[in-house]
Amino acid sequence: GENVEQHPSTLSVQEGDSAVIKCTYSDSASNYFPWYKQELGKRPQLIIDIRSNVGEKKDQRIAVTLNKTAKHFSLHITETQPEDSAVYFCAASMRGNKLVFGAGTILRVKS
Amino acid sequence: NAGVTQTPKFQVLKTGQSMTLQCAQDMNHEYMSWYRQDPGMGLRLIHYSVGAGITDQGEVPNGYNVSRSTTEDFPLRLLSAAPSQTSVYFCASSSSGGGTDTQYFGPGTRLTVL
Repeated sequence: GENVEQHPSTLSVQEGDSAVIKCTYSDSASNYFPWYKQELGKRPQLIIDIRSNVGEKKDQRIAVTLNKTAKHFSLHITETQPEDSAVYFCAASMRGNKLVFGAGTILRVKS
Repeated sequence: NAGVTQTPKFQVLKTGQSMTLQCAQDMNHEYMSWYRQDPGMGLRLIHYSVGAGITDQGEVPNGYNVSRSTTEDFPLRLLSAAPSQTSVYFCASSSSGGGTDTQYFGPGTRLTVL
């Protein structure tokens, strides 16, 4: 079926280090891959997205890479800060105008 | 703009009761959707709508009904609540489609079914 796998489920890094979260998807027709950040008790909010005609996109300390052949995409956060601590969700578009989310990664940045 | 609003914020139901979770948006978005969030399972799509009068099922539609009579509102009805429906429910909207555009989430409704 349509699914998105996300790894790792938890990630602890030291402040200033980089963090990488990886996702794989099943539907070869997927063409939109957003990443959402959810702070404790809050709603998910989009932080970056990438479309299938682009291999990489960067926004300040955040970057996303996409490998359509292998059907995986990754979120890279550089120079992590305590305020980056949150749950991060990847997602992929599926047939029928739907978005399927990964299970989430809890990122803890230790100062 | 208020964005996406949801009511209530918290709700406790007994097994077998029915209720409606309200969702409204003031951004004139055509696409609206409902997700449930459970620990370790991410956000799972329940139902979605691509415009007034049009709805479709997501990954986990059983036990839930929706309707879309206006562009602004997209209520979610629980027909006969079960403990397995204890979850946090998020409504979301986007301008052009759930699979192609930024989704704006509401603040969520935390539902407990006893």
